[in-house]
Amino acid sequence: GAVVSQHPSRVICKSGTSVKIECRSLDFQATTMFWYRQFPKQSLMLMATSNEGSKATYEQGVEKDKFLINHASLTLSTLTVTSAHPEDSSFYICSAINSGRSYEQYFGPGTRLTVT
Amino acid sequence: AQSVTQLGSHVSVSEGALVLLRCNYSSSVPPYLFWYVQYPNQGLQLLLKYTTGATLVKGINGFEAEFKKSETSFHLTKPSAHMSDAAEYFCAVSDQGYSTLTFGKGTMLLVSP
Repeated sequence: GAVVSQHPSRVICKSGTSVKIECRSLDFQATTMFWYRQFPKQSLMLMATSNEGSKATYEQGVEKDKFLINHASLTLSTLTVTSAHPEDSSFYICSAINSGRSYEQYFGPGTRLTVT
Repeated sequence: AQSVTQLGSHVSVSEGALVLLRCNYSSSVPPYLFWYVQYPNQGLQLLLKYTTGATLVKGINGFEAEFKKSETSFHLTKPSAHMSDAAEYFCAVSDQGYSTLTFGKGTMLLVSP
């Protein structure tokens, strides 16, 4: 139980284009999901908190107009990287809170974004 | 504000040796503490967690950790390392009842034959 999926697992896009990453909770409802960014050999940095039916809360320094988050249902949150640049290349990981177990996050397998 | 310090970005052990990965935290409230493992190009898998109750917690794959409030520590141990344990390990802390995690910088565990 408590499986979180991400799609795609890898994506390559050209500079200036946009790319959407999906995060799904497969066997539980998640009122809250988190988006993290991880640079090579570094820790996870929280980008934003996504709450179903409301606007995402972004961490300081994260451009909300560049990283669009939509949490339209209890099982799906999406992260859209708009007008991507090579410096946006990174590993993006989502996590979801099982509403019945509020203190534990379940992590997706991550999405490797490469912007050329 | 919470913070997590993991001593040693890399730890090397021989197969069969004791594994000890150190984690110290700071928190203004009683913390929830977690250890996660990450294999290359994969997400994080929960190894174990401390919330309340018994301070020695056992997790998957033979790992355990002990919450020591007086030392603000939550070190991860395993009596005998396996080659398959080679991975990146992250310690994390959150406030009770609130789930934003603060991660340490991670420790890469290297296991040699």
